[in-house]
Amino acid sequence: EAQVTQNPRYLITVTGKKLTVTCSQNMNHEYMSWYRQDPGLGLRQIYYSMNVEVTDKGDVPEGYKVSRKEKRNFPLILESPSPNQTSLYFCASMGWVPNTGELFFGEGSRLTVL
Amino acid sequence: GESVGLHLPTLSVQEGDNSIINCAYSNSASDYFIWYKQESGKGPQFIIDIRSNMDKRQGQRVTVLLNKTVKHLSLQIAATQPGDSAVYFCAENLFSGGYNKLIFGAGTRLAVHP
Repeated sequence: EAQVTQNPRYLITVTGKKLTVTCSQNMNHEYMSWYRQDPGLGLRQIYYSMNVEVTDKGDVPEGYKVSRKEKRNFPLILESPSPNQTSLYFCASMGWVPNTGELFFGEGSRLTVL
Repeated sequence: GESVGLHLPTLSVQEGDNSIINCAYSNSASDYFIWYKQESGKGPQFIIDIRSNMDKRQGQRVTVLLNKTVKHLSLQIAATQPGDSAVYFCAENLFSGGYNKLIFGAGTRLAVHP
């Protein structure tokens, strides 16, 4: 089954404790992206990657890092999480670029930073 | 997820009625416009897209209308069913620098009542 898989789905952590949210897709997609979703604000792009070893900042990259060492994986790293990073995070992939805009999303990772 | 929907405008409809969800977009240069559906606890799911040189496109039970004069997009759902209850996002897709830039709206919650 074609899918984007994120882990963990739920996480509660404390300020300053480094964490990584993993993302993996099995569709051989070149493009991958991370979004955060906050009430009333829609989806905001954090980082994206056009291909292996190519990553770029989105609209809200502060406090986050990413890497793209393999085509299928695109982990999101919070080196020193803060409470304002409490959010619902989505990883997404796209089959080819440019594209009409059909993103395939994971199920989401709900992060709470205390 | 459900917490995202709490702060959104809500459209309440009776089962079997037609639903119209509206969206205003910002960039006249956007190439495609897309609608996504997000059910509670899940990631957004692509519904339908429309190219900027079209004004109407139909899918299965859904129709998207594009009015470029007033930068307005709408999603019409025919014979709305309980399974249509979700948050609906519009997105504009701009091809720029060889990649896709998607900008998402804040979303509208659709509540279908029996």
